[in-house]
Amino acid sequence: AQKITQTQPGMFVQEKEAVTLDCTYDTSDQSYGLFWYKQPSSGEMIFLIYQGSYDEQNATEGRYSLNFQKARKSANLVISASQLGDSAMYFCAMREPFSSGSARQLTFGSGTQLTVLP
Amino acid sequence: DVKVTQSSRYLVKRTGEKVFLECVQDMDHENMFWYRQDPGLGLRLIYFSYDVKMKEKGDIPEGYSVSREKKERFSLILESASTNQTSMYLCASSTYTGDYYGYTFGSGTRLTVV
Repeated sequence: AQKITQTQPGMFVQEKEAVTLDCTYDTSDQSYGLFWYKQPSSGEMIFLIYQGSYDEQNATEGRYSLNFQKARKSANLVISASQLGDSAMYFCAMREPFSSGSARQLTFGSGTQLTVLP
Repeated sequence: DVKVTQSSRYLVKRTGEKVFLECVQDMDHENMFWYRQDPGLGLRLIYFSYDVKMKEKGDIPEGYSVSREKKERFSLILESASTNQTSMYLCASSTYTGDYYGYTFGSGTRLTVV
């Protein structure tokens, strides 16, 4: 069963506007971590933001914030004041605890291609 | 600056060839991973290693093997390359940052099997 779902294959946003990229996840564990990565056309995966399942505050990193709704199992990424350089593929990922078998790895969604329009 | 380095950016190999993809990290991380990235499927885990000479299968290990003889190096091996292994391959390493496990990725190897 798919553990991370990103339902938006592609998104467009006007420069300087805010955009929300959706991510829902599925886990039966109480302890887990959620990550967002950016992948420009050059290919490298750039870490953006992390949210732990026990964190009470939504994570923020500069223009990035994570809208964490635990009961709904959603972890949406909000990018404020979009810039042309934000055009990239964005991946949501989850890490479950060691108790979930061999769970040292990240499990990724299928990604959202964001295009920022001038 | 901490780094995960993948030896080749682009690689073209023939069907049936034995292919080695190399990954080196300079951060003394204990965990290393090989992912495969295909459009619409995101990243899927092939193998990972949590210590020297230790390895565990990921979600799609068929047709692949790995080697970790030294802590800093994790190799992905395609024993007999096939066209359905044409893909982008990403290596990653991770360690505990004090708050959570942080992951660092290489720039990827785009492999084409013809």
